[in-house]
Amino acid sequence: GQNIDQPTEMTATEGAIVQINCTYQTSGFNGLFWYQQHAGEAPTFLSYNVLDGLEEKGRFSSFLSRSKGYSYLLLKELQMKDSASYLCADNTGRRALTFGSGTRLQVQP
Amino acid sequence: DAGITQSPRYKITETGRQVTLMCHQTWSHSYMFWYRQDLGHGLRLIYYSAAADITDKGEVPDGYVVSRSKTENFPLTLESATRSQTSVYFCASRDRADEQYFGPGTRLTVT
Repeated sequence: GQNIDQPTEMTATEGAIVQINCTYQTSGFNGLFWYQQHAGEAPTFLSYNVLDGLEEKGRFSSFLSRSKGYSYLLLKELQMKDSASYLCADNTGRRALTFGSGTRLQVQP
Repeated sequence: DAGITQSPRYKITETGRQVTLMCHQTWSHSYMFWYRQDLGHGLRLIYYSAAADITDKGEVPDGYVVSRSKTENFPLTLESATRSQTSVYFCASRDRADEQYFGPGTRLTVT
């Protein structure tokens, strides 16, 4: 099976930058997703990386290194509303996603 | 309304009862999925379907049954509910770009 590892919890300050790392097994890898999930809500799509490199979408950026089995999500100019869980997931051959346990981010004033 | 919906949103049932969770999507996406989310485990795949009448097991299929007679519907049945099936259940569908869209979830409690 696929193993995806990401930190369980992180804390950051409003206005700061935070990087959430994710490592995965490279066998059968098709691409890597990041989802945001607020407490009690469904996951919502943030980014999908297939190729190596950094993709930027406003305050959020996602990076992928296929050879290293490594990705990160970078959140800039943190806002209180960014307090949520961030889920890393890889795209397996069955077209389903395999999720990590998620990183709970708490943004403090 | 367009999108993906689940019903019921909340359900309390007793051990041994049969429960069916409904999922409906209006995009005509071929792929649909059922996940359960538990603290410490993240989202785990129960079953998925590539098209109508095609289903396959995921990571944790035991105790669950699915069917897909129509593209837009993908019900999940717990044949004899157990306390270990207390969880939040998310249905999802996938578009051609591989992005998955999640329904709002069903919070199920088995007493």
